Amino acid sequence: EPEVTQTPSHQVTQMGQEVILRCVPISNHLYFYWYRQILGQKVEFLVSFYNNEISEKSEIFDDQFSVERPDGSNFTLKIRSTKLEDSAMYFCASSTRNSPLHFGNGTRLTVT
Amino acid sequence: AQTVTQSQPEMSVQEAETVTLSCTYDTSESDYYLFWYKQPPSRQMILVIRQEAYKQQNATENRFSVNFQKAAKSFSLKISDSQLGDAAMYFCAYRPRSTGNQFYFGTGTSLTVIP
Repeated sequence: EPEVTQTPSHQVTQMGQEVILRCVPISNHLYFYWYRQILGQKVEFLVSFYNNEISEKSEIFDDQFSVERPDGSNFTLKIRSTKLEDSAMYFCASSTRNSPLHFGNGTRLTVT
Repeated sequence: AQTVTQSQPEMSVQEAETVTLSCTYDTSESDYYLFWYKQPPSRQMILVIRQEAYKQQNATENRFSVNFQKAAKSFSLKISDSQLGDAAMYFCAYRPRSTGNQFYFGTGTSLTVIP
């Protein structure tokens, strides 16, 4: 069964540094998402992406965040200048128009 | 506003028994999807079951079934014959069919299975 893959599984970075989280969605999916989950807390929506542009974003997704689909297969989330409070599990997900979200295994981001 | 509420932060069940996890949602949409996701300690998000709002029949997947009450905007998950591997966080999620493509998640219920 096709899967959403995320790399790396764990990223440690220093405060103020840029970080790029990578995802390869399922190939026939058209909608791509980033969610984050601070340890033990709810799953928070960051952004959705469709037809090569952002379709929705949350208040969390400020100017420090950006997404890109650079080559038709990868879907990346960039945090320009990380803060301590960005430490969380980041999930990439993809879907078709009417399917459930298919999640990757997540990238655990630790900002020190 | 479209919100999903899980009023039980923690639940426990004896192995082999049945447990029901509650979920309510608020929407003005008439057509939408509802989902239950399981998140075990590995943190992976796993789809458990889905329900389409236009279907009156409650969805069932092996030991997992839902009680979908559209008028009450309620979508509970029943786990029968609970197993140790069912221990996880369970998230209820809602997706409107017509407007946008965002999924809305509840705050989760942590399920403990007692041997």
